[in-house]
Amino acid sequence: GAVVSQHPSWVICKSGTSVKIECRSLDFQATTMFWYRQFPKQSLMLMATSNEGSKATYEQGVEKDKFLINHASLTLSTLTVTSAHPEDSSFYICSAREGGGMNEQFFGPGTRLTVL
Amino acid sequence: SQQGEEDPQALSIQEGENATMNCSYKTSINNLQWYRQNSGRGLVHLILIRSNEREKHSGRLRVTLDTSKKSSSLLITASRAADTASYFCASTGNQFYFGTGTSLTVIP
Repeated sequence: GAVVSQHPSWVICKSGTSVKIECRSLDFQATTMFWYRQFPKQSLMLMATSNEGSKATYEQGVEKDKFLINHASLTLSTLTVTSAHPEDSSFYICSAREGGGMNEQFFGPGTRLTVL
Repeated sequence: SQQGEEDPQALSIQEGENATMNCSYKTSINNLQWYRQNSGRGLVHLILIRSNEREKHSGRLRVTLDTSKKSSSLLITASRAADTASYFCASTGNQFYFGTGTSLTVIP
């Protein structure tokens, strides 16, 4: 299957700082990328959907000014957690899809964010 | 809530036994997918079943889909200790919405 990478795999930061997480599709063009967050022992919650070259669509309850998403190319999307606080500590996972809704999503390995 | 629900939430079985997990979803779907997640790791795609299919097999996995009941089941036959993980269903329309997950423990 297609490969999606995330960087970094884990990050620890101080409260109030901003953290950028990258999601790359390595061997296909990702027209759509998705960002999820997962709290311990819970399921994945979709945060936002981004299409290359367009503004991201955020799910209800997700602050777009806090979680900045940029999908500037067909192989790269970034999620920036601005002014991070301890409650933002979570496992962030991206996925990427080539083409339309019937196509399979491929998931990255996730990024563990810990905000002190 | 965007989530579907899975049951049981936790399942513990002996190696060699079969494990069955159920998933219910809320909206109309194009397809339904099952994923596995080892603790603290990313997701691994297991199997996809389309909305016009009722049953699908892949190795030791058997998935059923009942669109009238908005439910699906995943059966893992002849379980192994390495099958210990969390299993999620994901219903796909325009986006993915994951179920709450089943934590499976296979005891050697």
